[in-house]
Amino acid sequence: TQLLEQSPQFLSIQEGENLTVYCNSSSVFSSLQWYRQEPGEGPVLLVTVVTGGEVKKLKRLTFQFGDARKDSSLHITAAQPGDTGLYLCAGAPRGSTLGRLYFGRGTQLTVWP
Amino acid sequence: EAQVTQNPRYLITVTGKKLTVTCSQNMNHEYMSWYRQDPGLGLRQIYYSMNVEVTDKGDVPEGYKVSRKEKRNFPLILESPSPNQTSLYFCASGWGSSFYGYTFGSGTRLTVV
Repeated sequence: TQLLEQSPQFLSIQEGENLTVYCNSSSVFSSLQWYRQEPGEGPVLLVTVVTGGEVKKLKRLTFQFGDARKDSSLHITAAQPGDTGLYLCAGAPRGSTLGRLYFGRGTQLTVWP
Repeated sequence: EAQVTQNPRYLITVTGKKLTVTCSQNMNHEYMSWYRQDPGLGLRQIYYSMNVEVTDKGDVPEGYKVSRKEKRNFPLILESPSPNQTSLYFCASGWGSSFYGYTFGSGTRLTVV
């Protein structure tokens, strides 16, 4: 069983549309991170959220950590072709050893011009 | 340039022939980790380390060995590789008193025939 469930698995949209990606779990996390991965490259950290209810913005990307620290969402406003990539959420379970990090299976986003 | 360097990028080997994938980071990060990424299974943690001489098993440690004798290096050793270890491997280093996140290397694509 996967500790972190991401949805949707695939998302194909037109430039200018808005979208939301979800990351859900039944476990509580000390922190939750979002990464973006390009083909043939390692994931790149976008943001880390640590407080329940926390909202962070990175240009057109908005990240939210659930109040109970079990889930998170990534919202992209006015998507651009440059946003295309694999978006991964990752969580450090509460009480686990520092450095232990579980990944979801990712959302493959394609933005068409 | 701050980075995680892993070598080689590509490796084809035969079953049973011992190999080592090297990993080095120049950011003085406390944490280091190895992941493998497989289609449909996502990123799975193999081993991680929160400090020199301290290592812990991740999700899939069987068939792998690691050591952290120096802060900057974290080699991954496959004593007797098997075809089911064919995968894309990523080394990562992390920072923060509460573990903020990982910086990933560019990956090593390993094929065991």
